[in-house]
Amino acid sequence: KQEVTQIPAALSVPEGENLVLNCSFTDSAIYNLQWFRQDPGKGLTSLLLIQSSQREQTSGRLNASLDKSSGRSTLYIAASQPGDSATYLCAAPVNDYKLSFGAGTTVTVRA
Amino acid sequence: EAGVAQSPRYKIIEKRQSVAFWCNPISGHATLYWYQQILGQGPKLLIQFQNNGVVDDSQLPKDRFSAERLKGVDSTLKIQPAKLEDSAVYLCASSPGQGIGSDTQYFGPGTRLTVL
Repeated sequence: KQEVTQIPAALSVPEGENLVLNCSFTDSAIYNLQWFRQDPGKGLTSLLLIQSSQREQTSGRLNASLDKSSGRSTLYIAASQPGDSATYLCAAPVNDYKLSFGAGTTVTVRA
Repeated sequence: EAGVAQSPRYKIIEKRQSVAFWCNPISGHATLYWYQQILGQGPKLLIQFQNNGVVDDSQLPKDRFSAERLKGVDSTLKIQPAKLEDSAVYLCASSPGQGIGSDTQYFGPGTRLTVL
C-alpha cells in the first residue's frame, strides 16, 4: 500500500523567498511521482511529473527532485510570488493506473 | 480546448436525501475518474472508467454510491441516501490514454457537497 505524507501542512513566507515543499512515500518501487497545484474552489493542475529514471524535473521557477531510495521528493519554487499561494499536492502511483495523494501543503506568499 | 466541466458547483442537502453530480470530460479522453476530497485530505479515487467500462471501483461505497458513463463520454455520480460523512468536494478528471500512472490527468473544478 502506498502512503504519501506531506509536511508541513501549511507554510507562510514573504514574497521573494524560496519555497521548499516536502513529500515522502512508503513504497519506493514507483515509476514516477507527480506534483499538483490546487487553488481554492478549483480542481488540480499538474505541475511536474518526474520519471523514476530522472533525479530532477524543471519548469520555469519550479524544480522537483526525486530520491527513490529514501522515499522522498522535494518541490522547490524559486523567488516566490503572491500568485504562488495555493495548495501543493504530490501523488505517487499505487499501481499502473491509480494514484495515492498526499494531503497537501498550503502555501501563503505575503506581499 | 475546453476543460473538464462539472455541475453543479455547490450542493447542500439533508442527510438521507439523494444527489447526483455530472461530469463532461475533455473531448476524446478515454479515461474518466471520480475522486472524493474531504477537507484537509488529498483526493481519493472512487471510480475509474476507461471508455464506458469500469477499471476500478474498489473504494466506491456501493451500498449508497453509483456511477455510470454512458456512451463513453459524460458521467454521472449518484449518492443515495447521503450521510453526513459524504460532505466533501467531488472531483472529476479525465486523461487521454488508458489511464496509466504517467498519463496527465485534467481535473474539473469540483462539486462541493454539504450534507446537513
